[in-house]
Amino acid sequence: AQSVTQLDSQVPVFEEAPVELRCNYSSSVSVYLFWYVQYPNQGLQLLLKYLSGSTLVESINGFEAEFNKSQTSFHLRKPSVHISDTAEYFCAVRPSGGYNKLIFGAGTRLAVHP
Amino acid sequence: DAGVTQSPTHLIKTRGQQVTLRCSPKSGHDTVSWYQQALGQGPQFIFQYYEEEERQRGNFPDRFSGHQFPNYSSELNVNALLLGDSALYLCASRPATSGFSYEQYFGPGTRLTVT
Repeated sequence: AQSVTQLDSQVPVFEEAPVELRCNYSSSVSVYLFWYVQYPNQGLQLLLKYLSGSTLVESINGFEAEFNKSQTSFHLRKPSVHISDTAEYFCAVRPSGGYNKLIFGAGTRLAVHP
Repeated sequence: DAGVTQSPTHLIKTRGQQVTLRCSPKSGHDTVSWYQQALGQGPQFIFQYYEEEERQRGNFPDRFSGHQFPNYSSELNVNALLLGDSALYLCASRPATSGFSYEQYFGPGTRLTVT
């Protein structure tokens, strides 16, 4: 069965510092990969996705993630974080051939301090 | 254009009771999925509805059931509530013509507390 592991439950960082949120998945089949962000008392918002093609994908607000098939990883990075990036981040996989079911990791709480 | 909407926002129930949660998908979307997000955990897939039928189901007991209406809105029903059913219940929808984008749009969720 597919699973997703987010290696850090919490990541504290100072404003304008770089950050990496780690995600590993296990799957014997091709997958599609996603990062979602959840702000307090809100639902999930799609941050970025990897379906095929270039292994480096970017979001409009400066985040990027790199798909590494050999390491089965999809780490999320941002070179300089803002206070407003404080949120819960979820990595998710969608196994190919399914009906769009998403399998989520447990989440990483990013706390940006001034 | 309204996004995915869910009602109610919050709900408090007693063990053994039954609850119904509602979801209206984003305009143009015909597929609805439900997820349970327990405190401190990631969302867990409950089931997905398409063309008014349950198309896929996660590892949840039969106490969890659903329905999709002709207008694509959906309900999640949970019978014989347990304390462990306390969670944020998220609804997600996707459009029929999304092709391979696989993007799902999530609602704000319904916070269910079972006492």
